[in-house]
Amino acid sequence: GAGVSQTPSNKVTEKGKYVELRCDPISGHTALYWYRQSLGQGPEFLIYFQGTGAADDSGLPNDRFFAVRPEGSVSTLKIQRTERGDSAVYLCASSLDRGAEQYFGPGTRLTVT
Amino acid sequence: GENVEQHPSTLSVQEGDSAVIKCTYSDSASNYFPWYKQELGKRPQLIIDIRSNVGEKKDQRIAVTLNKTAKHFSLHITETQPEDSAVYFCAARPNFGNEKLTFGTGTRLTIIP
Repeated sequence: GAGVSQTPSNKVTEKGKYVELRCDPISGHTALYWYRQSLGQGPEFLIYFQGTGAADDSGLPNDRFFAVRPEGSVSTLKIQRTERGDSAVYLCASSLDRGAEQYFGPGTRLTVT
Repeated sequence: GENVEQHPSTLSVQEGDSAVIKCTYSDSASNYFPWYKQELGKRPQLIIDIRSNVGEKKDQRIAVTLNKTAKHFSLHITETQPEDSAVYFCAARPNFGNEKLTFGTGTRLTIIP
């Protein structure tokens, strides 16, 4: 079946602009996660959704970052007033339910110039 | 919070030899330990995982061992092949209900033909 998909695959934006990154989880997966991966590092947790609600947003670095999952499927990560330090690969993962294995999407490479 | 350390950061082995990657974790409540393989520019792929109720798990050429007392776990790849070349990440997750994965910093494995 289809895996986790993310769009766009690449996004270049100017400092100060607003961006939205989209994640389509595996069909039927109730849990969805966002991670951020900088060059040469492991993924770092940002936020976790169980259904429509954000169950844990402790990894969001500041209030410029926000994520939604209004219908319990597709999720959008939103970044306001982007900064050069936001440049990274943003990974989405989904799992069948809490406690299950997490499967990653291909990521969106965000570059802030 | 959880802290995961991984070593070595780079590892080169002759094709056909074995490779071992080691990780330690800090939170004694962690009970789930997955390993991901990430090829250049690709998504992290779950290759094997272990839960705290077992000490070892094997899947063909890949095995993982867990020592909860010492808080460390290891990935073992036998009969290595060129396609095993990639970056490998270990991760740990606390008790059920806390779903975020904390990743190690990765090991770049190179198989020398």
